[in-house]
Amino acid sequence: GQQVMQIPQYQHVQEGEDFTTYCNSSTTLSNIQWYKQRPGGHPVFLIQLVKSGEVKKQKRLTFQFGEAKKNSSLHITATQTTDVGTYFCAFRLTFGEGTQLTVNP
Amino acid sequence: NAGVTQTPKFQVLKTGQSMTLQCAQDMNHEYMSWYRQDPGMGLRLIHYSVGAGITDQGEVPNGYNVSRSTTEDFPLRLLSAAPSQTSVYFCASSTSFSGNTIYFGEGSWLTVV
Repeated sequence: GQQVMQIPQYQHVQEGEDFTTYCNSSTTLSNIQWYKQRPGGHPVFLIQLVKSGEVKKQKRLTFQFGEAKKNSSLHITATQTTDVGTYFCAFRLTFGEGTQLTVNP
Repeated sequence: NAGVTQTPKFQVLKTGQSMTLQCAQDMNHEYMSWYRQDPGMGLRLIHYSVGAGITDQGEVPNGYNVSRSTTEDFPLRLLSAAPSQTSVYFCASSTSFSGNTIYFGEGSWLTVV
C-alpha cells in the first residue's frame, strides 16, 4: 500500500540550532499532513499541504511540499525545548516512521 | 466536545487473556482507525472503518478484531494477548480517508506479561 518514508529517525540538537525532517513517497501524493507528538502524548495535527511546491509557515516552522508532490519537509528554525517530540508526516491513514527530536538546553 | 475517548488508559494482561479497548468519538466522523505505536516503529495501522458496519484491515491486523455497530464507537479486541502486543494503542477519527485532520485519543498503554 501507500507508504511514506521519513528521515532521520532521531535528531538531537542544541537549543537554537535548526532542525529538518524529510518525508518521501514513491508515488505522487494528493496531500501530505504533518503531526507532532509530545513525549507521553498523542499525535496532534500541525498542517496540511496540497499544492505542488507549496510552502507554509507557522512561526518558526516551515513546511514544504515538493514540486512533484512526492516529498515534503518540516524545518524548525532556532529550536526551543518546547519543540521536543516526534514529528510525523502522513498521507491518508498512513504515517511515516517519525523523527524524534530532542533539544539540549 | 470530548473528541476521541479511549479506555482504559493503562492495562496489564497475562498471555492468552482477551480484552477490549474501547474508543468513542463525538464528532460524527465517518472514519475511525486503530494504531499501535512501538519504539522506533512509528504509528502502524491495525484496522480502520469507513462507516458503521464497514471495517477493513490495516498494516498489522493479526491478533486483533474490530466492529463498528455505531458511528460513535469502534472497539478493538485482542483475542488472545501475546507479549508482542505490548504497545501503546491509539484510536483516531476523521471526516474522510484523505485530506482532513485525524484526531487521536490519548492512548492506551497495554502490557502483556
